[in-house]
Amino acid sequence: QKEVEQDPGPLSVPEGAIVSLNCTYSNSAFQYFMWYRQYSRKGPELLMYTYSSGNKEDGRFTAQVDKSSKYISLFIRDSQPSDSATYLCAMSAGNQFYFGTGTSLTVIP
Amino acid sequence: SAVISQKPSRDICQRGTSLTIQCQVDSQVTMMFWYRQQPGQSLTLIATANQGSEATYESGFVIDKFPISRPNLTFSTLTVSNMSPEDSSIYLCSPQLTSGPDTAYNEQFFGPGTRLTVL
Repeated sequence: QKEVEQDPGPLSVPEGAIVSLNCTYSNSAFQYFMWYRQYSRKGPELLMYTYSSGNKEDGRFTAQVDKSSKYISLFIRDSQPSDSATYLCAMSAGNQFYFGTGTSLTVIP
Repeated sequence: SAVISQKPSRDICQRGTSLTIQCQVDSQVTMMFWYRQQPGQSLTLIATANQGSEATYESGFVIDKFPISRPNLTFSTLTVSNMSPEDSSIYLCSPQLTSGPDTAYNEQFFGPGTRLTVL
């Protein structure tokens, strides 16, 4: 079983839609939960991170962590064509990071 | 945040040759990671390189194939040796820095990547 599971998509939505991206994990020791965005031919960049369970909001982006279910989500409101990218979830225990495979998102104008 | 540069950004190489990828960071970092990213796959950790010590390699990766240097806290190189087409991938350096008000959180940054094609 992989440490982190993420649906690779691809996901295609119309502009303005609400997007939901999800990951599940198996290691209960994970404390930090991250979402990275990766544009084509670029390295991943951190969107936001959450410590332990709960919600965190940053503009149009909301990250949710449910440690009891080992499930994390990223919601994108009012999606824009510029949100088209691959989104990777990541989790860490100490210095070691574990990444999902990434979900490819296309927002259609 | 950190500014990270990688050279070369891309290369096309012949089977059996070697390529050295350079990673320069504008901050001093203790922990540097090297990843490989193949199409449709997750980031795969190759090795962890701390300054002043030997790199630690993940299962499936060996020093003879992927030697790493870490001469100082702002620079690292990864060499892909005796290349085969299976080594075609994106290689990313990733420094880890304590970031923001939460000093327990080690943020992992990524370089822009080196796109390698082996013929």
